Amino acid sequence: NAGVTQTPKFRILKIGQSMTLQCTQDMNHNYMYWYRQDPGMGLKLIYYSVGAGITDKGEVPNGYNVSRSTTEDFPLRLELAAPSQTSVYFCASSYREITDTQYFGPGTRLTVL
Amino acid sequence: GQNIDQPTEMTATEGAIVQINCTYQTSGFNGLFWYQQHAGEAPTFLSYNVLDGLEEKGRFSSFLSRSKGYSYLLLKELQMKDSASYLCAGMDSNYQLIWGAGTKLIIKP
Repeated sequence: NAGVTQTPKFRILKIGQSMTLQCTQDMNHNYMYWYRQDPGMGLKLIYYSVGAGITDKGEVPNGYNVSRSTTEDFPLRLELAAPSQTSVYFCASSYREITDTQYFGPGTRLTVL
Repeated sequence: GQNIDQPTEMTATEGAIVQINCTYQTSGFNGLFWYQQHAGEAPTFLSYNVLDGLEEKGRFSSFLSRSKGYSYLLLKELQMKDSASYLCAGMDSNYQLIWGAGTKLIIKP
């Protein structure tokens, strides 16, 4: 099993550009999450999904969108990138219960200039 | 508001014991997680406590006191590879994790 994979690993965007961060898990997990981690700060939940076709906002959803058309994939879309979105983005998944262990992908380091 | 507090940085010696404290304030409570994060890598799960008391897993133990809103992670027989950030996260009544900023642990020979 590859676990949780994310692409790309690094990306530089110009202000106003858009991009999609890809996340795929092969563990048949129901729950998937997107976090951002700023230097010296805790992880902040952007969006999460409890299953295919169901998504919900987390703590910091503004400027982002998600979709969950399959169990495996949970892409994060950034529209009109802003410098405040410079961060490391982690995708995670967990199995049946929301209290289950979360397994994290390797992260995407995004810089918006 | 919801808040997780933990020390920013701690230093310890190889072979010693270190205790990393975490205090939490969450709206409701559904458990306390500890994750380890090496520099430039993803967090990995260490422990989950929902009941009061001590849970031991090899060299690592985690303690929870719900009445005090307090947890600690105890690392024994420290090894150089234990140099990492340790993240405390409380789960609120909506089952969302509230994360602390992490404690950077530096191990010296």
